[in-house]
Amino acid sequence: KAGVTQTPRYLIKTRGQQVTLSCSPISGHRSVSWYQQTPGQGLQFLFEYFSETQRNKGNFPGRFSGRQFSNSRSEMNVSTLELGDSALYLCASSLFGSSGANVLTFGAGSRLTVL
Amino acid sequence: EDKVVQSPLSLVVHEGDTVTLNCSYEVTNFRSLLWYKQEKKAPTFLFMLTSSGIEKKSGRLSSILDKKELFSILNITATQTGDSAVYLCAVVGGYDKIIFGKGTRLHILP
Repeated sequence: KAGVTQTPRYLIKTRGQQVTLSCSPISGHRSVSWYQQTPGQGLQFLFEYFSETQRNKGNFPGRFSGRQFSNSRSEMNVSTLELGDSALYLCASSLFGSSGANVLTFGAGSRLTVL
Repeated sequence: EDKVVQSPLSLVVHEGDTVTLNCSYEVTNFRSLLWYKQEKKAPTFLFMLTSSGIEKKSGRLSSILDKKELFSILNITATQTGDSAVYLCAVVGGYDKIIFGKGTRLHILP
């Protein structure tokens, strides 16, 4: 079966712009989580959506937002981009949510560069 | 505040060596601990541990959890160049929140 698909894979933006990233989970998976990965900070949790509702949220400013659609596909948006937003953004899906009984399957990520 | 600490942050060994990667945690309402391998982009799942003292094994990789001392180790025996990667430890805590460590970057020299 198809894995987690993230688009776009690479993008370059300038400061002040906004960006939208997309994630299609594995078929049947209802939970989608988003992570930011940078060399200095590692993987940092952004938010998790389950059945179109945000279940968990990390410690990121309000410029970072997301949503999930009825088909479980998810988007995340970053407004007013800053240089420090340059990172690999990873999406992960799981069957019932980020619980101990389930495992996250990651997409290949979207590499965002902010100039 | 919940945290997951991995050590060492980086490690360089020769092919054939055995390595031990460490993961300690302080997480409220611990539910499980996960190990992932990240080579280029997407982390891939290795193990999920929920019970103390029960070793999980897959080929040359094995892992064990100590819930009393709040740590886990990942062992790789007879390392190969293909084991070069970043190894990530993650803990699932209260409200199903997952906290990742910063990872251990392992480089295997031929």
